[in-house]
Amino acid sequence: SQTIHQWPATLVQPVGSPLSLECTVEGTSNPNLYWYRQAAGRGLQLLFYSVGIGQISSEVPQNLSASRPQDRQFILSSKKLLLSDSGFYLCAWSVGGAGYEQYFGPGTRLTVT
Amino acid sequence: AQSVTQLDSQVPVFEEAPVELRCNYSSSVSVYLFWYVQYPNQGLQLLLKYLSGSTLVESINGFEAEFNKSQTSFHLRKPSVHISDTAEYFCAVSRGRNFNKFYFGSGTKLNVKP
Repeated sequence: SQTIHQWPATLVQPVGSPLSLECTVEGTSNPNLYWYRQAAGRGLQLLFYSVGIGQISSEVPQNLSASRPQDRQFILSSKKLLLSDSGFYLCAWSVGGAGYEQYFGPGTRLTVT
Repeated sequence: AQSVTQLDSQVPVFEEAPVELRCNYSSSVSVYLFWYVQYPNQGLQLLLKYLSGSTLVESINGFEAEFNKSQTSFHLRKPSVHISDTAEYFCAVSRGRNFNKFYFGSGTKLNVKP
């Protein structure tokens, strides 16, 4: 069966510090991978998606970047965090085109102080 | 562009009462529709989805949703809610060829009171 892992589960970082969140998927090959941010009361915002190794598409201009160094690994990074980067970050994976569901990880709660 | 509107940000309801969570979408092409549920501090879980065929789809825990093309709606209903249904519910539409890009609504928090 497929599983998706995210770490860390929670993170408190000062403004201006770097960030690295990791997501890994097990039990499937060549998945589509997604990073979402969920801010309080604002639903889910798609940040990045990837259809293959090294292929990253950004949805919104921001202080964050993403990388996919391996088929089932997706990393979200920042060089200098802003207060507005606080939120709940969710990684998801899927296979196939429209109509196939996305499977979500447990999330990372990031608080920037 | 796709958009999904969930008209109610919060819905309080008493246990064993019926509930409807509303979802409207905008699209000029065929879409696939989903409802996800999120319990506190957890990821999202698929509740049900509409791809084609019967416009009424059901989940294993008593929720159902009806696809209404003329009204571009996909409202979620349950005839009798339980305390354990307290969660946030997200409606989403999906499109894409080689990948499925989801457009999520802003979510509805369902608060079931005893």
